[in-house]
Amino acid sequence: GAVVSQHPSRVICKSGTSVKIECRSLDFQATTMFWYRQFPKQSLMLMATSNEGSKATYEQGVEKDKFLINHASLTLSTLTVTSAHPEDSSFYICSANQGGYGYTFGSGTRLTVV
Amino acid sequence: AQSVTQLDSQVPVFEEAPVELRCNYSSSVSVYLFWYVQYPNQGLQLLLKYLSGSTLVESINGFEAEFNKSQTSFHLRKPSVHISDTAEYFCAVSESTTGTASKLTFGTGTRLQVTL
Repeated sequence: GAVVSQHPSRVICKSGTSVKIECRSLDFQATTMFWYRQFPKQSLMLMATSNEGSKATYEQGVEKDKFLINHASLTLSTLTVTSAHPEDSSFYICSANQGGYGYTFGSGTRLTVV
Repeated sequence: AQSVTQLDSQVPVFEEAPVELRCNYSSSVSVYLFWYVQYPNQGLQLLLKYLSGSTLVESINGFEAEFNKSQTSFHLRKPSVHISDTAEYFCAVSESTTGTASKLTFGTGTRLQVTL
């Protein structure tokens, strides 16, 4: 079946630094990538939607200059958390769509900003 | 816009007992419905989905869900749970449009805790 590889699974960074999270679709072309954020014991909140080759569409309240999303190819999308602060600590999950109703989730990245 | 309500944040149940996890949705357009399972520190795995056709859908590990349009519900059931079913379960909905992928809207999740 479809697989999305998400890296890193865990990352600890210092406050003020930037962190890049990658999601790769291994055996299919992801025309659309969704990025979610999940707080402990809570649901997934959509941050942004990106289509290959175009700018991401951010949800209301999500800072596009802080959470940079790049979807340069049909198999790779990245989320960069710039100038990270402790309040950015969270679980980030990507989801790739290959058209229609097929959504494949990455395994998530636990970001801790110290 | 659509929304999903999972009324039960936690459901404790004994092993081999039946369980039902409730999900209700709201949408002004036709929708697809999904149940996902999440184990600690992992991504989401699709459990089952309703797209069209038979309103009763089943998963390979014994779960089933029934789409009820009049009650706008998509409750998840299993007749006999196992310890390994302990996890967080999310109900989700997306608009049933063609072409561009439609985003998923998730419920707040239900923690299923199975004990001996």
